[in-house]
Amino acid sequence: AQKVTQAQTEISVVEKEDVTLDCVYETRDTTYYLFWYKQPPSGELVFLIRRNSFDEQNEISGRYSWNFQKSTSSFNFTITASQVVDSAVYFCALSEAFRATGGFKTIFGAGTRLFVKA
Amino acid sequence: GAVVSQHPSRVICKSGTSVKIECRSLDFQATTMFWYRQFPKQSLMLMATSNEGSKATYEQGVEKDKFLINHASLTLSTLTVTSAHPEDSSFYICSARPLDTYEQYFGPGTRLTVT
Repeated sequence: AQKVTQAQTEISVVEKEDVTLDCVYETRDTTYYLFWYKQPPSGELVFLIRRNSFDEQNEISGRYSWNFQKSTSSFNFTITASQVVDSAVYFCALSEAFRATGGFKTIFGAGTRLFVKA
Repeated sequence: GAVVSQHPSRVICKSGTSVKIECRSLDFQATTMFWYRQFPKQSLMLMATSNEGSKATYEQGVEKDKFLINHASLTLSTLTVTSAHPEDSSFYICSARPLDTYEQYFGPGTRLTVT
């Protein structure tokens, strides 16, 4: 069975601080995908990144960076120099093979609510 | 880029009535679409996976007779909440997976309020 744990329910930081959102996952599959999504108050999910299980390279995109460690089953997300507009709920998600149909299904962690204060 | 639309974006209905929510992939074909439900301040919970032309696969605990899913074409899936009750009030989000990829694109969601 697959599982995604985001232990941090809420995080509050002051603008310009760096913040790391933790994500730990469980899966028995060797082929899987990990995602991060941002959900602003409007509710629409914003895709941030996708990583497959064979690519452990860390990635940086502007102020965002991701650290994928298979040894600890973690896929952490860091926002550098946070801004008020970063305030949102962030979800980590895992897709693994849905064996009945041969497709993939995605499950989400509980989410981390980030407050960035001016 | 790949776009998924949902209609309506908001709906208010009376208890006991049925409500249909549409999910469309606008610029790609999707053999698989997914329906999620999100209660306030909670995560997205997968309700069902629908494959074009076949019956949907429901997650444990989701009543298939209450949440009817139809995936009649490669670009359209519908979720009908039958005999809605106030506890069905939620944010419903669909997503679509293009053919032969592992990408997943999400719709903007539909906020259902049952009075």
